[in-house]
Amino acid sequence: DQQVKQNSPSLSVQEGRISILNCDYTNSMFDYFLWYKKYPAEGPTFLISISSIKDKNEDGRFTVFLNKSAKHLSLHIVPSQPGDSAVYFCAASGDNNDMRFGAGTRLTVKP
Amino acid sequence: DGGITQSPKYLFRKEGQNVTLSCEQNLNHDAMYWYRQDPGQGLRLIYYSQIVNDFQKGDIAEGYSVSREKKESFPLTVTSAQKNPTAFYLCASSTKITDTQYFGPGTRLTVL
Repeated sequence: DQQVKQNSPSLSVQEGRISILNCDYTNSMFDYFLWYKKYPAEGPTFLISISSIKDKNEDGRFTVFLNKSAKHLSLHIVPSQPGDSAVYFCAASGDNNDMRFGAGTRLTVKP
Repeated sequence: DGGITQSPKYLFRKEGQNVTLSCEQNLNHDAMYWYRQDPGQGLRLIYYSQIVNDFQKGDIAEGYSVSREKKESFPLTVTSAQKNPTAFYLCASSTKITDTQYFGPGTRLTVL
């Protein structure tokens, strides 16, 4: 039962342009959403989060947008840098449910 | 210097042997988790624990066992019953199960 879905397994972007990573969820009880970044052979690191009372949260080059009616969130990275190349996981939790992760999207930023 | 540690980074075992992976945190988190990541795949939850002396099965608990005797520690045993044990294992912790999880560096287990 995939409650959190990242339908794009990979994304390639030119350095300096915008990267947009998408995530969809099915459980309407989720009220806290996160993005993690993962390099090969390392643990994921927390990047940015958003609660369901907001529709946007910004932290430097990273912005997360939440569309509750569509059960969709996205992560925008602008401008993209080669060091942003990694796998990005979307995660969601709420209503005493343990956190659920998407399958990840591999971002490649080309110099 | 708070954090979550896993040891060792790389582990090799012969088929049929049980092996225990270590996970320790000094973040004073109540909840701890074990995930498995296979090449090209996402994170799959093996077991989690919300509090000391309590734990629940995740999505792929078969062939694994855990204990939570101390708040700081959540070791994972990969038993000989696990059919495909070779994988990258990640431990995480959080203040409670709905909160942000913080991950350890991972242990790559290879069963020969």
